[in-house]
Amino acid sequence: DTGVSQDPRHKITKRGQNVTFRCDPISEHNRLYWYRQTLGQGPEFLTYFQNEAQLEKSRLLSDRFSAERPKGSFSTLEIQRTEQGDSAMYLCASIQLPPGDLQSTDTQYFGPGTRLTVL
Amino acid sequence: KNEVEQSPQNLTAQEGEFITINCSYSVGISALHWLQQHPGGGIVSLFMLSSGKKKHGRLIATINIQEKHSSLHITASHPRDSAVYICAPVLNQFYFGTGTSLTVIP
Repeated sequence: DTGVSQDPRHKITKRGQNVTFRCDPISEHNRLYWYRQTLGQGPEFLTYFQNEAQLEKSRLLSDRFSAERPKGSFSTLEIQRTEQGDSAMYLCASIQLPPGDLQSTDTQYFGPGTRLTVL
Repeated sequence: KNEVEQSPQNLTAQEGEFITINCSYSVGISALHWLQQHPGGGIVSLFMLSSGKKKHGRLIATINIQEKHSSLHITASHPRDSAVYICAPVLNQFYFGTGTSLTVIP
């Protein structure tokens, strides 16, 4: 247990439905990342937050995807109108970035992931 | 174009063997992580290094920033080392290799 939790751990949904995942990072961590991982591949970066600000979004994050971190603590990732290609493991990770440190080099702590299956 | 290449993609070893996994990357980075992912998805960070070499137990990681290359070595491999090992260079975000799937046979 790394201290990062994700909910739910598994989600099965029908194509066209909306789904929302939650990530609770380690409480003092100010930076939070979302990744997607498909079978046999390494994780792919989706987006990250510094406190409540969303600082970068991958081009993989289509307009059906939205992420929030309203109070700089937990984060949610919503997928609207799910497609079969969205089936993947969605991973969340957090770190504590020192003030003024613009680049993350410290160890990231990963959550267990949410496995999404779109039927 | 994949910015991070790992080799080999799959590796089977006998218990006790010395194992090397290589990572080459094309992006300019400030550091590099080696991650371990067990079946079921849990990812654990093994090393973060920006130069030279680090050792933790039977694991050794080296990096050559100029040559954009890193290696992960496992000495006296054990079946519990069976996992996917992922190289992740860091700039503002993490870039991930596709991983090396290691199976250690008793």
